[in-house]
Amino acid sequence: GAGVSQSPRYKVAKRGQDVALRCDPISGHVSLFWYQQALGQGPEFLTYFQNEAQLDKSGLPSDRFFAERPEGSVSTLKIQRTQQEDSAVYLCASSWRTSGYYNEQFFGPGTRLTVL
Amino acid sequence: GQQLNQSPQSMFIQEGEDVSMNCTSSSIFNTWLWYKQDPGEGPVLLIALYKAGELTSNGRLTAQFGITRKDSFLNISASIPSDVGIYFCAAPRGGADGLTFGKGTHLIIQP
Repeated sequence: GAGVSQSPRYKVAKRGQDVALRCDPISGHVSLFWYQQALGQGPEFLTYFQNEAQLDKSGLPSDRFFAERPEGSVSTLKIQRTQQEDSAVYLCASSWRTSGYYNEQFFGPGTRLTVL
Repeated sequence: GQQLNQSPQSMFIQEGEDVSMNCTSSSIFNTWLWYKQDPGEGPVLLIALYKAGELTSNGRLTAQFGITRKDSFLNISASIPSDVGIYFCAAPRGGADGLTFGKGTHLIIQP
């Protein structure tokens, strides 16, 4: 497909488990964003990559959250020792622009994480 | 941090009615965006606004960038069942990449 894809679409974890969420951006897109969307809320920024460089991680809520994009395409968001408050939909977005062109940010369908 | 206040929180309307929603902030922005999110999907961009006072249409949707640069409005004319969903306003995070979103307006259409 031509859009942003994310996997898995649904993930259930027991409290304390580690999880890894994958994002496949649109081919050739330079910029990649991760957002967290709690139930009934708008998406909240987590982190931003330009190619393989993580330029902004100011939105990551704790040091249990870690993101990487080693080859500048696929990205993984890892959450260690999951807590119930981590339950949310995790959205990935990509853009072929480096910055400033927000109308060209395309979102994936998200991964719904439930921590029991 | 910057906060976008959306209202109303939810709307129950009849098919064929017009819809109005808005987004306000205490901060000034150079860009306002409106997204729609369907259940189980990511947000999809509807309209982007880049200039104070700008009025932009996309089919039955019309959005305006407020003169004060602190607010924006979205109108939907002659609503149809597929308009159901959650509408978000968004603006650039001040001095950083990525977007700040409002909490959304949940639109429900009764046939």
